[in-house]
Amino acid sequence: EAGVTQSPTHLIKTRGQQATLRCSPISGHTSVYWYQQALGLGLQFLLWYDEGEERNRGNFPPRFSGRQFPNYSSELNVNALELEDSALYLCASSFTGRADTQYFGPGTRLTVL
Amino acid sequence: EDQVTQSPEALRLQEGESSSLNCSYTVSGLRGLFWYRQDPGKGPEFLFTLYSAGEEKEKERLKATLTKKESFLHITAPKPEDSATYLCAVTGANSKLTFGKGITLSVRP
Repeated sequence: EAGVTQSPTHLIKTRGQQATLRCSPISGHTSVYWYQQALGLGLQFLLWYDEGEERNRGNFPPRFSGRQFPNYSSELNVNALELEDSALYLCASSFTGRADTQYFGPGTRLTVL
Repeated sequence: EDQVTQSPEALRLQEGESSSLNCSYTVSGLRGLFWYRQDPGKGPEFLFTLYSAGEEKEKERLKATLTKKESFLHITAPKPEDSATYLCAVTGANSKLTFGKGITLSVRP
């Protein structure tokens, strides 16, 4: 069974640009989560989508946004990129948004120059 | 706010030298405690989920245990391929997964 997939693997942008990251969950999973992992800071929760709706949001500015499509895949958009947005962005999926185990994808490495 | 503290930050072991990794947590209404393994530049790999105090789970050389305030990941006779960062996370009443900063384990042959 295929795991969580993410694209692209690497993304290089310049300050002020916009970045779009994509995630496909494990088949049968309806919840998708986004996390940011910057050097030395650990995984920080960004967004949770379930059944097409945003269910929860971490402590990040509004320029971090996303959506979930009818096939449960998801997109994370980061507008007005700043240097400190450089990080590994991880997507996870689960059956529901409660205490179900989250399974992670390989991540997208975003570098902002 | 839910909090997870992992210790030590880094651990160096000789192959075959057993040890334990600690995860202390404070959470409102624990719904689950999770252990993941992460290799450099990759996504976390799921290891265990524990739901209530007293629960234990095992997988190969790893054993996870849970009390009301902390969890331990015991590594028995580790091998160099066990070298990785081990992450602990909790989900509480807000259904949000909160991670600790991780413990970097190095196992020397």
